[in-house]
Amino acid sequence: DAGVIQSPRHEVTEMGQEVTLRCKPISGHDYLFWYRQTMMRGLELLIYFNNNVPIDDSGMPEDRFSAKMPNASFSTLKIQPSEPRDSAVYFCASSLARRVGDTQYFGPGTRLTVL
Amino acid sequence: GQQLNQSPQSMFIQEGEDVSMNCTSSSIFNTWLWYKQEPGEGPVLLIALYKAGELTSNGRLTAQFGITRKDSFLNISASIPSDVGIYFCAGQWYQGGSEKLVFGKGTKLTVNP
Repeated sequence: DAGVIQSPRHEVTEMGQEVTLRCKPISGHDYLFWYRQTMMRGLELLIYFNNNVPIDDSGMPEDRFSAKMPNASFSTLKIQPSEPRDSAVYFCASSLARRVGDTQYFGPGTRLTVL
Repeated sequence: GQQLNQSPQSMFIQEGEDVSMNCTSSSIFNTWLWYKQEPGEGPVLLIALYKAGELTSNGRLTAQFGITRKDSFLNISASIPSDVGIYFCAGQWYQGGSEKLVFGKGTKLTVNP
């Protein structure tokens, strides 16, 4: 079975540009999570969805960040406008289980560099 | 908000040695989780702990949920080169009707053959 798929794997953009990160969860998983990882702040949970509905977005850093899940097999994380401090690795994860953190399967991540 | 103090930050050990790392907090958690991350990949869950005092093993890995619910440790016995990676603890709690998760900063493990 395919795992969590993220695209692109690497993104380099200039400050002020819009960035869209994409995620396809494992089929049948009804929870989807977006994380950000930096050296300074470590791994942070940004937002998670259950059955395509956002449950908790309190980890989203600013209004420049938005996430959507239009259907069970696709989610996007958008940054508009992007800033250099948004440079990080962004992970998507999906899970069958109810509890946050339980048996989440992480994707390979998108390494974002904002110049 | 909740914060986790994970130590040590890094470890350099010889193959065959045992490893111990821990996470502490001033806050109480409902669940403790331990992950391993290898370069260029996402974290992989190793062990999940759900009850204070719980001791759980997964092969050569053993983790415990502290009795105060404010700490957890992970031990790796008889380390091998493929144990190399960054190990993260994570604590879960409930707030405002939703579940929250916070991660430690990680312990980078290097195993010399």
